[in-house]
Amino acid sequence: RKEVEQDPGPFNVPEGATVAFNCTYSNSASQSFFWYRQDCRKEPKLLMSVYSSGNEDGRFTAQLNRASQYISLLIRDSKLSDSATYLCVVNAGNNRKLIWGLGTSLAVNP
Amino acid sequence: DGGITQSPKYLFRKEGQNVTLSCEQNLNHDAMYWYRQDPGQGLRLIYYSQIVNDFQKGDIAEGYSVSREKKESFPLTVTSAQKNPTAFYLCASSLRGEQFFGPGTRLTVL
Repeated sequence: RKEVEQDPGPFNVPEGATVAFNCTYSNSASQSFFWYRQDCRKEPKLLMSVYSSGNEDGRFTAQLNRASQYISLLIRDSKLSDSATYLCVVNAGNNRKLIWGLGTSLAVNP
Repeated sequence: DGGITQSPKYLFRKEGQNVTLSCEQNLNHDAMYWYRQDPGQGLRLIYYSQIVNDFQKGDIAEGYSVSREKKESFPLTVTSAQKNPTAFYLCASSLRGEQFFGPGTRLTVL
């Protein structure tokens, strides 16, 4: 089993749609969780950290389920500019290494 | 303004030559990281450093070397021993958990 697993997609959605991505992780000792976005041929950029209580940033909502070891990202009212690859990232337990998922590709169409 | 710089953006080298990639940060972050990304693949950790004058091998350190003589700088040398060096190289730094990336260097070995 991969340490961090994501559905690679691609997810093709129309503008204005709501789309959800899930991610599962295998290390129960992980303490930090993040979503990054990566545009084609660019560096990853932090989208949001994921907290136990769940958190929201504008159109983006992240949730963490420690018991089932999964993380989700919900994007509401999709924009064309949301088209990117979304990376699920988990820390490797008690050190500062991060474990990266392979990403989920999103294409928002006009 | 603060950030992480990598230079050059594109680099071409002949097979058998060593090449050093630059990474500088002025964020006052303790930890720095080097990753490589191949087309359609996830980020793979090459080396990381949590403090000046100390660094650890990541998952794919063979054929690479690093130094951390200053807090701001973490150069990566791709040696001739690296069998498949053509890739997108990303440098990151972190203070707590989340990592912030430079724009990357695309290395092509001819």
